[in-house]
Amino acid sequence: QKEVEQNSGPLSVPEGAIASLNCTYSDRGSQSFFWYRQYSGKSPELIMFIYSNGDKEDGRFTAQLNKASQYVSLLIRDSQPSDSATYLCAVPRGGANNLFFGTGTRLTVIP
Amino acid sequence: SQTIHQWPATLVQPVGSPLSLECTVEGTSNPNLYWYRQAAGRGLQLLFYSVGIGQISSEVPQNLSASRPQDRQFILSSKKLLLSDSGFYLCAWVLSGNTIYFGEGSWLTVV
Repeated sequence: QKEVEQNSGPLSVPEGAIASLNCTYSDRGSQSFFWYRQYSGKSPELIMFIYSNGDKEDGRFTAQLNKASQYVSLLIRDSQPSDSATYLCAVPRGGANNLFFGTGTRLTVIP
Repeated sequence: SQTIHQWPATLVQPVGSPLSLECTVEGTSNPNLYWYRQAAGRGLQLLFYSVGIGQISSEVPQNLSASRPQDRQFILSSKKLLLSDSGFYLCAWVLSGNTIYFGEGSWLTVV
């Protein structure tokens, strides 16, 4: 089982809709979770992280964490075409402050 | 403010030729530094990480090597490139906790 798993997509949503991206992880002891956005041909950029069960909101983005079920989600409200990108989920791995990354979900927001 | 830069941004190299990618961070001292590779359609693979000058840990056996000659400099090298070395190479560092930030990336095509 991979440390982090994501549906590769592509996920298509119309402009203005809510995009929901999901990620599951295998290490029940994981304490923090990260979402990165990667535009085509560019390096990943951090969107947000979450440590506690429940929801964390930052602008149009909401991260949801459910440790009992070992999944973390990212919701994007009022999706815009500029949100079209690949979204990577990441969890810490042991030693040297490193992260395991999922393979990412490609999101397309249709105008 | 802290910044990270890597170069060159793109390069095309023949099989069997050497490689040198350089990464520099500014505005911090003694950072943890990382080299990742992202092959086409695949996730981020950690290649090397370094917690200090001269300290290199390798994650996967491969044709590449890394060095850290100065506190804020991290170099990825190869003596003889293989076709399978093609990919998007990312230098990264940790600002705090497990939060990883990436450089602009270097696209390598081995022909």
